[in-house]
Amino acid sequence: DIQMTQSPSSLSASVGDRVTITCRASQGITNYLAWYQQKSGKVPQLLIYDASTLQPGVPSRFSGSGSGTDFTLTISSLHPEDVATYYCQKYNSDPFTFGPGTKVNIK
Amino acid sequence: EVHLLESGGTLVQPGGSLRVSCAASGFTFSSYAMSWVRQAPGQGPEWVSVISGRGDTTYYAGSVKGRFTISRDNSKNTLYLQMNSLRAEDTAVYYCAKWDYNGLGYIDDWGHGTLVTVSA
Repeated sequence: DIQMTQSPSSLSASVGDRVTITCRASQGITNYLAWYQQKSGKVPQLLIYDASTLQPGVPSRFSGSGSGTDFTLTISSLHPEDVATYYCQKYNSDPFTFGPGTKVNIK
Repeated sequence: EVHLLESGGTLVQPGGSLRVSCAASGFTFSSYAMSWVRQAPGQGPEWVSVISGRGDTTYYAGSVKGRFTISRDNSKNTLYLQMNSLRAEDTAVYYCAKWDYNGLGYIDDWGHGTLVTVSA
């Protein structure tokens, strides 16, 4: 099975900072990658699919890039409401594995 | 508006069985693949299983294969997960999740979950 890793596992940044999270697949998954945001006590929410397509309603400060094995989620200017854990998920084939998550806090 | 309402979570003993359900509304249920995703306390989401819109194709995570069975009743707009031979490590919130329209595999709607606790 393809393994998903994320880095860093956690980060602290200031409001307005540019934040980048990396997701890596152990084998190529073309662009079949989604990003989700999960705030404390809440249900995960889809941010990005197909590696770079923004889900309707998601703020434009979120963007995704990458293909093959290496992907990034970027928050261009961190807002206080972006405090959350971010997960990537592969969906090229079964099993549809999630990454371990990156926790984002405000410094 | 999509609405997914899980039910059936409870405390069950190791080795026991349980069926959880998900009542769906706000979309054409039979047109969408549906998944169960679980999240243990303090952990990230773990994909458990998926079933096609017609119910004729299913996949399972290795951790539950042979013990869990996903099914659906399109006449009742309801998704099920039958869980047998439950273990302590199956303790989690179980989310019902709707796949994207094209059936690629990302999840664009989630229920609020039902808690399954496996403990003596």
